[in-house]
Amino acid sequence: DQQVKQNSPSLSVQEGRISILNCDYTNSMFDYFLWYKKYPAEGPTFLISISSIKDKNEDGRFTVFLNKSAKHLSLHIVPSQPGDSAVYFCAASAGGYQKVTFGTGTKLQVIP
Amino acid sequence: EAQVTQNPRYLITVTGKKLTVTCSQNMNHEYMSWYRQDPGLGLRQIYYSMNVEVTDKGDVPEGYKVSRKEKRNFPLILESPSPNQTSLYFCASSPTSFSSYNEQFFGPGTRLTVL
Repeated sequence: DQQVKQNSPSLSVQEGRISILNCDYTNSMFDYFLWYKKYPAEGPTFLISISSIKDKNEDGRFTVFLNKSAKHLSLHIVPSQPGDSAVYFCAASAGGYQKVTFGTGTKLQVIP
Repeated sequence: EAQVTQNPRYLITVTGKKLTVTCSQNMNHEYMSWYRQDPGLGLRQIYYSMNVEVTDKGDVPEGYKVSRKEKRNFPLILESPSPNQTSLYFCASSPTSFSSYNEQFFGPGTRLTVL
């Protein structure tokens, strides 16, 4: 039972263009969402998060959008840079409890 | 330097031979967790710990044990490893907060192969 789904295993984008990574969830109790970035041979690193009381959170080139009615969130990277090439995981948690559910990941390749 | 360390980084073992993967953090974090990463399945939580002597099961706890006797350490124990436990393992920590700030700091990973 995959409660957090990233349906696109991979994505290729030209440098300078927008990258959009998508994530869907099924558990309506989730109220906090995070994105992590992972480079090969390293552990994931936190990128950006959003609470369910918001529908958008922005941090530099990264923006996360949350559509609660559709149980969908997306990560926008503008402009995309070659250093953004990595695997991106979305994650969700419910009610401040520390059990976190991750998605399957999307591998982003930014082409110079 | 604030970090989460794991040892060993790579391990090849045989079925049934007990092993322990250590995890240590120097950030005084209360919360620690173990994940495994498998192709097509993403990161799945094995066990987590809210504080010393407090542990709970994640989504895939079968075949694993943990203990939290000290705040900084959270070892993962495989009493009788099997080939289906071949995976990439990550330890993570974060400050406990019920304001839902669940950002976690991950270790570099341990690549385990069970033959």
